[in-house]
Order: sequence, then C-alpha cells, then structure tokens
Amino acid sequence: KNEVEQSPQNLTAQEGEFITINCSYSVGISALHWLQQHPGGGIVSLFMLSSGKKKHGRLIATINIQEKHSSLHITASHPRDSAVYICAVRGDRGSTLGRLYFGRGTQLTVWP
Amino acid sequence: DAGVIQSPRHEVTEMGQEVTLRCKPISGHNSLFWYRQTMMRGLELLIYFNNNVPIDDSGMPEDRFSAKMPNASFSTLKIQPSEPRDSAVYFCASSRSGSGTVQYFGPGTRLTVT
Repeated sequence: KNEVEQSPQNLTAQEGEFITINCSYSVGISALHWLQQHPGGGIVSLFMLSSGKKKHGRLIATINIQEKHSSLHITASHPRDSAVYICAVRGDRGSTLGRLYFGRGTQLTVWP
Repeated sequence: DAGVIQSPRHEVTEMGQEVTLRCKPISGHNSLFWYRQTMMRGLELLIYFNNNVPIDDSGMPEDRFSAKMPNASFSTLKIQPSEPRDSAVYFCASSRSGSGTVQYFGPGTRLTVT
C-alpha cells in the first residue's frame, strides 16, 4: 500500500466547473506539497502546507491533520489547468523523518 | 534567477555505458533533490542533500547509482553501468532548506537506455 493515495486518478471537467482532488496519507507528516506537472513535463510547486488552508488565485489547498487528508480545489476551471497534480508528504518521525512520499498523481483535463 | 538548470535535457545511451546527469541549483538554496519519474512508479525521490551533505539516499535503487554534490552550486547523478530499466525522466530540484520547504524543479533529463 502506498503511503500517499490520490483520488481520482483521472478527472475530466468542462471549463468553469469547480474541481476537487483528494489526497490521503498514512504516515505522520510535517508538511504536504501539491505539485503541478504540465503536459510538457515541467513540475511546479503549487503549495506547501502543514495546517489549515492556503489560497493562490483560483487554487485552494486544505489539510486536515487529524484525518490525514488534503484537498486541492480549482475554482472556475480553465483548459490551461489541464495537468497532472501530485500530492507529496514529508514524514515527521522515526524512520520516516524528513522522507518524501508521493502520490501517483491525478490527471486533470478541462475541456472548453 | 535562471532557476534550476539540468543537463543534458535528453540522453540516449546503450546498455552498459556510464551516464552522468548534472544539476545546478538556484543560488542560495541549501537543499538539492534528485527524483526519477516513470510511468510505472510515478515520481520517486532518489536522494537529497542539505548543505552538500547527503541526508537521505534510501531511494537510490542500487549500487549502480551514485550522487555527489562537491559544492553548493553543482551536483551529479551517475549511473554505471546503465540498464534499459533506468530509462526515465530525472528531475533535480532545490529548496531554501530541507524537504519541508517549497521546492523548485528543473526541466528534467529524459534518459533512454537501449
């Protein structure tokens, strides 16, 4: 079983729709990253958070430490949001301290 | 700033050959990460350095892989001998301090071993 599970694996939406991508993890963490990988392969860090909520433009990331769950929301989605979104967590104790664990990614396609 | 620089961008080599991938992190960043991405396994952390010292190399697949960071502005990932299953995209990333801070990724090196 992977330490980080993302859902859904694939997501298709119409332009303007509200998007939610979920990430659940099984290890204790000190930080969680959301990454975006464009069709060309480049990777961009969207958020790093350890509690609460962060917002950047149309993107919102939330985390619930007790439930070991994070969500990435995209409001008013646009075709340029089409990408793979990857969740990663940083372990916080014992053998996991400082290690990074990655989800397999969610492929988002937004149609005009 | 130019961002994280990786070279080469593409590498095609024959099985058994030595491959060296290079990375220049963003100036002022103390941490450097090497990742591998394949269709089968997704993104995996191979090794990361803090202040030029390897902190976690548990992701390095086997002895054929080695990484060095001789100074704060340069790192190499070497595969010797290379095998077809090493074909992947290798990313380098840097951050200000450790794996709990925002990372900036390079464009990646696409390696094909035939």
